[in-house]
Amino acid sequence: DAKTTQPPSMDCAEGRAANLPCNHSTISGNEYVYWYRQIHSQGPQYIIHGLKNNETNEMASLIITEDRKSSTLILPHATLRDTAVYYCIVRVAVRGGADGLTFGKGTHLIIQP
Amino acid sequence: DVKVTQSSRYLVKRTGEKVFLECVQDMDHENMFWYRQDPGLGLRLIYFSYDVKMKEKGDIPEGYSVSREKKERFSLILESASTNQTSMYLCASSPSYNSPLHFGNGTRLTVT
Repeated sequence: DAKTTQPPSMDCAEGRAANLPCNHSTISGNEYVYWYRQIHSQGPQYIIHGLKNNETNEMASLIITEDRKSSTLILPHATLRDTAVYYCIVRVAVRGGADGLTFGKGTHLIIQP
Repeated sequence: DVKVTQSSRYLVKRTGEKVFLECVQDMDHENMFWYRQDPGLGLRLIYFSYDVKMKEKGDIPEGYSVSREKKERFSLILESASTNQTSMYLCASSPSYNSPLHFGNGTRLTVT
């Protein structure tokens, strides 16, 4: 799986949009971009994923650049409960297999009151 | 909502003991995974299974084995626990090859 680069930490004010960048310049055509987060003392939680197009769900939006070499996760109205480590992962889907995700160090997002 | 349940939140075992970590999922998922998480090293895949009685090694299988006798249950076994296996252990499941993983809340194992 391709490697990702994320800033180690970021701050965001409560109520503002949090924009978390991820660089995946070696991504290949069949690799998806996944985002997870891990709140202290809990297991990782799936947020969103996409291949080429931008995606939105009830938690967040995912913006993928046209060349697919980077992406941004947007939390539109951050709350204190969004303080967590956010992981960007690129993953190839192998039909018939069950490849696990490779987690990097992620971005520690701190929401300030 | 998918529920992945790990049998213990905290566990303390002695060196040399045989340790069983149990994981159950309630959504009929095909795939199940065991990870360990250590400070500075992130999450590392130990073993995974894509079907009953099937298992595949992940990145760090040494010192571990697994068992999947029923679809909903995936057990991680430490045959002879050692202090370097002190860690947070996370179980996950997913319905198919390109689906998100759903994680349990982890078992913090301390081997003394």
